[in-house]
Amino acid sequence: DTAVSQTPKYLVTQMGNDKSIKCEQNLGHDTMYWYKQDSKKFLKIMFSYNNKELIINETVPNRFSPKSPDKAHLNLHINSLELGDSAVYFCASSQDDRVPVYEQFFGPGTRLTVL
Amino acid sequence: QKEVEQNSGPLSVPEGAIASLNCTYSDRGSQSFFWYRQYSGKSPELIMSIYSNGDKEDGRFTAQLNKASQYVSLLIRDSQPSDSATYLCAAHAGNNRKLIWGLGTSLGVNP
Repeated sequence: DTAVSQTPKYLVTQMGNDKSIKCEQNLGHDTMYWYKQDSKKFLKIMFSYNNKELIINETVPNRFSPKSPDKAHLNLHINSLELGDSAVYFCASSQDDRVPVYEQFFGPGTRLTVL
Repeated sequence: QKEVEQNSGPLSVPEGAIASLNCTYSDRGSQSFFWYRQYSGKSPELIMSIYSNGDKEDGRFTAQLNKASQYVSLLIRDSQPSDSATYLCAAHAGNNRKLIWGLGTSLGVNP
């Protein structure tokens, strides 16, 4: 069974379009995250939800909107896509986000290419 | 600005040797530290976590933490070509709920 899954795996779209990425975890974790990894391989935290509550909201354009319908799911919707949004987006989850923080487990990633 | 620094490499070691990967962090409030391995085109995979000063061993991997020096390392014994990957160091930020990530060290193990 896949612990953290994401769909789609690849996403190719035109500038200006709106797209969504879905994430699901079956680990029973309380906290889920969205990361962006650009071509330089730096992992940048975007958002984090704990039990459906937004707890981390980094400096991200408001074209990006996360939604957590329940603690096992965290989706990312992106409006008006731009070339600079091209990257790999990873979903992750952890059992608890309190110190000592529990390990984060990553999904397979969604490679977004904006043309 | 809280930072985690790693030598980007590439670090090259022969098969069977010990690979030593190093990481320093700036936030003295950090309490938890993690090593992840990332193969090209794949997602980060947790190798080790460490919370206390000293060494923690798991198979061929040993994590070392020195909070006084703000230093974390990962030793890989009997390195194999399959260990060739980028190794990411992360520290839990002391006063908020996120990990601070290094840029990663690229390791190549030569047969």
